[in-house]
Amino acid sequence: ILNVEQSPQSLHVQEGDSTNFTCSFPSSNFYALHWYRWETAKSPEALFVMTLNGDEKKKGRISATLNTKEGYSYLYIKGSQPEDSATYLCAFSGGYQKVTFGTGTKLQVIP
Amino acid sequence: DVKVTQSSRYLVKRTGEKVFLECVQDMDHENMFWYRQDPGLGLRLIYFSYDVKMKEKGDIPEGYSVSREKKERFSLILESASTNQTSMYLCASSLINGDAFFGQGTRLTVV
Repeated sequence: ILNVEQSPQSLHVQEGDSTNFTCSFPSSNFYALHWYRWETAKSPEALFVMTLNGDEKKKGRISATLNTKEGYSYLYIKGSQPEDSATYLCAFSGGYQKVTFGTGTKLQVIP
Repeated sequence: DVKVTQSSRYLVKRTGEKVFLECVQDMDHENMFWYRQDPGLGLRLIYFSYDVKMKEKGDIPEGYSVSREKKERFSLILESASTNQTSMYLCASSLINGDAFFGQGTRLTVV
């Protein structure tokens, strides 16, 4: 079983704070690293997919970076808002199309 | 918009029953996946398929089988349901190494 780990497991921040989470994954047989956002009672939705070492992606206040050599990715949220409250999942895509998810970071933004 | 549809939102079955969970996608995606989600364990991969009639075991295939007779449809079969298979089941589809699009989930209770 591939080891895809996310930290922290949960996080409470005040509205307006910036925050970041970590995803660590195997550095071998790397194809892609995905980030998803999962709101309660909804299905996970894709945020980013990154394939190259050094990739950086940005969507509004959310951005992500990728280091495939050391096997980690960071997700950053700038100026957190209550609507950012969700579980953020990373997923490692390795050989043979297998996609393994981390256990997620649950973010709660307090107004 | 990509649509991934799971046949049931909620299901209650008895121990020992054979259970079929159906998933249909409308975007001609090569890859399809079945995950289960349990508190504290994130999304765990049961089986995936990268082509019609092709299937690969995920991380927790025991007690499950799958069928992919047509590209758009991926079925998860519980041969003899047990109480430890009570869980939320999520189907997803994607292009090769692309973002996964998820169904709405099936909450299965085995009594």
